[in-house]
Amino acid sequence: QQPVQSPQAVILREGEDAVINCSSSKALYSVHWYRQKHGEAPVFLMILLKGGEQKGHDKISASFNEKKQQSSLYLTASQLSYSGTYFCGTVTPMNRDDKIIFGKGTRLHILP
Amino acid sequence: SQTIHQWPATLVQPVGSPLSLECTVEGTSNPNLYWYRQAAGRGLQLLFYSVGIGQISSEVPQNLSASRPQDRQFILSSKKLLLSDSGFYLCAWGDISYEQYFGPGTRLTVT
Repeated sequence: QQPVQSPQAVILREGEDAVINCSSSKALYSVHWYRQKHGEAPVFLMILLKGGEQKGHDKISASFNEKKQQSSLYLTASQLSYSGTYFCGTVTPMNRDDKIIFGKGTRLHILP
Repeated sequence: SQTIHQWPATLVQPVGSPLSLECTVEGTSNPNLYWYRQAAGRGLQLLFYSVGIGQISSEVPQNLSASRPQDRQFILSSKKLLLSDSGFYLCAWGDISYEQYFGPGTRLTVT
């Protein structure tokens, strides 16, 4: 079942922070985050495995709450290059050898 | 290094015509391969995936089919296209425990 992302879209000014949420109705083995620029292929950001860990690089980080079956992506001091559509993808314990199911995406637009 | 190719990049086809999209991967062996479609408001919809030659799993029943005739080749086909088949088709490979690598995609418009 497809994870639910919120918000669907957000507009920020450069330097502001954003949080994108991803929730699942099923227990999760892992959560993946990707960013897609218009007309391009999605690019991997990070993966979070069950265990409630938080990961990040540069000013983009994410958390994974296994009990709540939720993940959040944090973008701090946003840059123009952060604009794009962000997808979370979930892997359930039963599917963990095969496939990722992606949400509908969150469109992020950064204004100068 | 690994590379994934898709062709054609753009395609305009009339309703009822056949379809064949090809995806090939270089630099890895026995990859898991995936076909996704992006249509307005639907996000990244998983269509098919394959964990080996001749092994195809279908996620969404529709008029599309997939085949994997060789280890690093994945083909998406249709005998008769529908208007609703329009979209951006992405092939990907990877281990779901790490990262999926997406190809450049094929933009299909059915008229």
